Amino acid sequence: DQQVKQNSPSLSVQEGRISILNCDYTNSMFDYFLWYKKYPAEGPTFLISISSIKDKNEDGRFTVFLNKSAKHLSLHIVPSQPGDSAVYFCAALANAGGTSYGKLTFGQGTILTVHP
Amino acid sequence: DTGVSQNPRHKITKRGQNVTFRCDPISEHNRLYWYRQTLGQGPEFLTYFQNEAQLEKSRLLSDRFSAERPKGSFSTLEIQRTEQGDSAMYLCASSLDRVAYFGPGTRLTVT
Repeated sequence: DQQVKQNSPSLSVQEGRISILNCDYTNSMFDYFLWYKKYPAEGPTFLISISSIKDKNEDGRFTVFLNKSAKHLSLHIVPSQPGDSAVYFCAALANAGGTSYGKLTFGQGTILTVHP
Repeated sequence: DTGVSQNPRHKITKRGQNVTFRCDPISEHNRLYWYRQTLGQGPEFLTYFQNEAQLEKSRLLSDRFSAERPKGSFSTLEIQRTEQGDSAMYLCASSLDRVAYFGPGTRLTVT
């Protein structure tokens, strides 16, 4: 069963505009969420994260929003740049025994293309 | 460079052969993970170490797969009697807290 879903396989955006990447999850035990960016032939690179006690976290051009009641999170990139073109993965950590450790459950990824 | 390193970066092997991959985590990280990624999918968890103890193994990790982390430093992942279905990117990650940092991966091709 796919506990973390990214329903959009791809997204195309013009440079300077906003990119919005979406992610849904089903497991209520997930309490920490991360976004990773991946270029071909490289490992995933950590971008930004959010704890379930928050609904928003910002880091420069990247903002992650969490809606716990809807079990939905999104990553906003403003303004989008051609160098942002990559595969973006949403990932979740479950709270196990009072602490969440690094066993990540990933979505399938969304390919973002930012056109100049 | 103090990131996670993996060797080799690429491995081509014939079906039935054994292969071993190595991962060197970020030095102060006590947790180490192995994941596998196939085309069009996100990484899938294989196994997890805290220091030298292997604390969890996915059911994806058949008995042909074995991982070790002697002395709680580097880790090795061995696949015995490789099958074509083992072809994938094998990713190693390490963490001190909830954020895992990934290495560049080892691309395995089984012919």
